[in-house]
Amino acid sequence: GIQVEQSPPDLILQEGANSTLRCNFSDSVNNLQWFHQNPWGQLINLFYIPSGTKQNGRLSATTVATERYSLLYISSSQTTDSGVYFCAAWSGSRLTFGEGTQLTVNP
Amino acid sequence: GAVVSQHPSWVICKSGTSVKIECRSLDFQATTMFWYRQFPKQSLMLMATSNEGSKATYEQGVEKDKFLINHASLTLSTLTVTSAHPEDSSFYICSALGLAGGREQYFGPGTRLTVT
Repeated sequence: GIQVEQSPPDLILQEGANSTLRCNFSDSVNNLQWFHQNPWGQLINLFYIPSGTKQNGRLSATTVATERYSLLYISSSQTTDSGVYFCAAWSGSRLTFGEGTQLTVNP
Repeated sequence: GAVVSQHPSWVICKSGTSVKIECRSLDFQATTMFWYRQFPKQSLMLMATSNEGSKATYEQGVEKDKFLINHASLTLSTLTVTSAHPEDSSFYICSALGLAGGREQYFGPGTRLTVT
């Protein structure tokens, strides 16, 4: 099956800093999603982005399907951005998750 | 829109008993729902794919007699953990495919199961 790798595994930022999270996938995909898992475990849909670039407030994402990677940009980070960020790639009939990036934003 | 609920949000049960977890799509119909399991500090692992009106498709290594899945309507799928053991303690999350045949999945808030 498809392999999904995320980097970095852990990231610590000061409030106000910018960051880039990366997601590499081993094969062509029909869909790619980014999620934020909050401390209570709820997965929040951030982006549905099989290709191209999208922006939502301080967050934006870019997927380059031909090169098999996606990037999530977080600008002017806030303490409420802390949590685990997952990317997940849809291939065949299932969504495969990466291992996640644990983001900690300190005040 | 695209809200998925789960009930209960947490449950504690004794070893040997069975527990049922419900997953509902509140504002859309979902012909396909998915069940995931997540251990602490780990990623989500797909357990099974649930299609309305048909038998679930289980991932390799998942015991279908232990994790019974029923998808009897377009808005409800249930996961029953039978004869639970402490190693079944985990965070169980369901998701549903969105409308119009798209591939975007919407996730429930999860159910934390502790087996004593």
